[in-house]
Amino acid sequence: SQTIHQWPATLVQPVGSPLSLECTVEGTSNPNLYWYRQAAGRGLQLLFYSVGIGQISSEVPQNLSASRPQDRQFILSSKKLLLSDSGFYLCAWTMGQYPSYNSPLHFGNGTRLTVT
Amino acid sequence: AQSVTQLGSHVSVSEGALVLLRCNYSSSVPPYLFWYVQYPNQGLQLLLKYTSAATLVKGINGFEAEFKKSETSFHLTKPSAHMSDAAEYFCAVSNSEVYVGTDRGSTLGRLYFGRGTQLTVWP
Repeated sequence: SQTIHQWPATLVQPVGSPLSLECTVEGTSNPNLYWYRQAAGRGLQLLFYSVGIGQISSEVPQNLSASRPQDRQFILSSKKLLLSDSGFYLCAWTMGQYPSYNSPLHFGNGTRLTVT
Repeated sequence: AQSVTQLGSHVSVSEGALVLLRCNYSSSVPPYLFWYVQYPNQGLQLLLKYTSAATLVKGINGFEAEFKKSETSFHLTKPSAHMSDAAEYFCAVSNSEVYVGTDRGSTLGRLYFGRGTQLTVWP
């Protein structure tokens, strides 16, 4: 069966410090991968999605970037964190290759990021 | 374009009472609709999905939702609330318009979420 791992679970970082959040998926190949951010009272915001290695699409301009160095690895990064980057970050995947628009998103357990 | 509106950011019910969480969608194509549940400090878990088969969809934990095209709604219900149902619930609609790659079977499912409804269950 497929599983998705996100780490760390919680993170407290000072303003201006770098960020690296990692997500890996097991048990499937060529998944579509997503990074969402959840801020209090604002629902889920899609940040990045990827349909393959090295293929990243950004939904909104921001202080963050994403990379996909391997098929089942998705990394969210920042060179210098802002206070506004605080939130709950969720990685998710859907089936790739076949039509995935009716395939549900499978979420990781998230990373709670607090920028101080 | 697709979008979802969840009416009511907070809903409170007594244990054993009916749960009704409202969701209205907007979609330029036949929609695929989902309900997710999120417990504190966890990721989202799929409750149920509508993919153009039966209009009444049964999910986990006794929840169900009915797709009503005429009302553009996909409300979530449960006949009898349990304390363990207290969580945040998200409705989502999927975009089926985006083709990626050279294989026409390769379509990217991008879900658009509502803002969520926090369900509180009183003893």
